[in-house]
Amino acid sequence: DIQMTQSPFLLSASVGDRVTITCRASQSISSRLNWYQQKPGRAPKLLIYAASSLQSGVPSRFSGSESGTDFTLTISSLQPEDFASYYCQQSYSAPWTFGQGTKVEI
Amino acid sequence: EVQLVESGGGLVQPGGSLRLSCAASGFSFSDYWMTWVRQAPGEGLEWVANIKQDGSEKYFLGSVKGRFTISRDNAKNSLYLEMNSLRVEDTALYYCARVGYRNGWFVDPWGQGTLVTVSS
Repeated sequence: DIQMTQSPFLLSASVGDRVTITCRASQSISSRLNWYQQKPGRAPKLLIYAASSLQSGVPSRFSGSESGTDFTLTISSLQPEDFASYYCQQSYSAPWTFGQGTKVEI
Repeated sequence: EVQLVESGGGLVQPGGSLRLSCAASGFSFSDYWMTWVRQAPGEGLEWVANIKQDGSEKYFLGSVKGRFTISRDNAKNSLYLEMNSLRVEDTALYYCARVGYRNGWFVDPWGQGTLVTVSS
């Protein structure tokens, strides 16, 4: 199984900060990497697919990038509604696997 | 508007069975792969199973293989997860979701989930 190592587990930030979350795959996954946002009590929401493509309706302050097996989610200027948990997920091969999650808090 | 509504969750004893359902609307259900993803209380997300449009291909998480079955009824726009020999560690909120493809597979959108509690 492909392991997804996400960091940090907890990130404390302020409104307006630039925030970066990283995810490392245990093997090559050919850009098959997605990012999801989950707010408390809510279902996850797709933000980024195929490593760097912004899902329709998602604000442009969210972006994704990759370098080999390392993937990054960046929020350019943190907004109050962005305080949530974020998960990476590989869809290169079954079983699909998620990172452990990053909670972004004030 | 795409809607996915799960049902069938509840409290079950270890070793018991449960059948989850997911009613889909707002899109052409028979055109999409579908998936189940679960989340244990206070924990992260864990993929459970996928099923192809016509049900001819199915994939499962290793720990549920042989115990869980995924199926669909395209005439009823419905997805199912039959869970047998349930274990305490299967306790989770189970999400039904649609699988999309654009340069890779992704999960979008998700239902609100149905809670399964396995406890004696």
